[in-house]
Amino acid sequence: GQQVMQIPQYQHVQEGEDFTTYCNSSTTLSNIQWYKQRPGGHPVFLIQLVKSGEVKKQKRLTFQFGEAKKNSSLHITATQTTDVGTYFCAGATSGTYKYIFGTGTRLKVLA
Amino acid sequence: DAGVIQSPRHEVTEMGQEVTLRCKPISGHNSLFWYRQTMMRGLELLIYFNNNVPIDDSGMPEDRFSAKMPNASFSTLKIQPSEPRDSAVYFCASSLGSQVLSPLHFGNGTRLTVT
Repeated sequence: GQQVMQIPQYQHVQEGEDFTTYCNSSTTLSNIQWYKQRPGGHPVFLIQLVKSGEVKKQKRLTFQFGEAKKNSSLHITATQTTDVGTYFCAGATSGTYKYIFGTGTRLKVLA
Repeated sequence: DAGVIQSPRHEVTEMGQEVTLRCKPISGHNSLFWYRQTMMRGLELLIYFNNNVPIDDSGMPEDRFSAKMPNASFSTLKIQPSEPRDSAVYFCASSLGSQVLSPLHFGNGTRLTVT
């Protein structure tokens, strides 16, 4: 079945450093979404990418969808303590509402 | 607007007991998803409904698990009998299912502990 892997599993950074998480799907995706889950909380939608090679920015966050629509990345510039949490990608294949979540990357930011 | 509402927030039960988790999706959303989250397995999709009809239940672990959606504003996930390995956080999420590109809105989850 469809699998979505993320690397790294954990990342500790000093405040102000950059952070990147990578998402890889075993199958071609129709679109990909990114979520953030704070400790003890629930996943919260960040953004969605649809087009091959698409790049979107939200303030310090940059999201990219690969040309083959099988991988994606999230880059945070100059991390802040408020960025702490687990970042998940979630991919869906064409014609379904079945979003498979990646394994997640847990980010810890040291002040 | 009220978000997705799940109850109870916490459930502690003994092995062998029946557990029922409840979810009220966002009004107007016609797709509903049940996910289970554990440290070992991450966020697993158990089942999802579209217009109250179960579309894919391939993620339901075994026959002890069942889910229903009797109307557009209510869904239940039942475990009978429960086992310690069912301990997890169970999330319900809803979306505008008529648009494949709609984001998922998650409830606060139910933390289930089976002793």
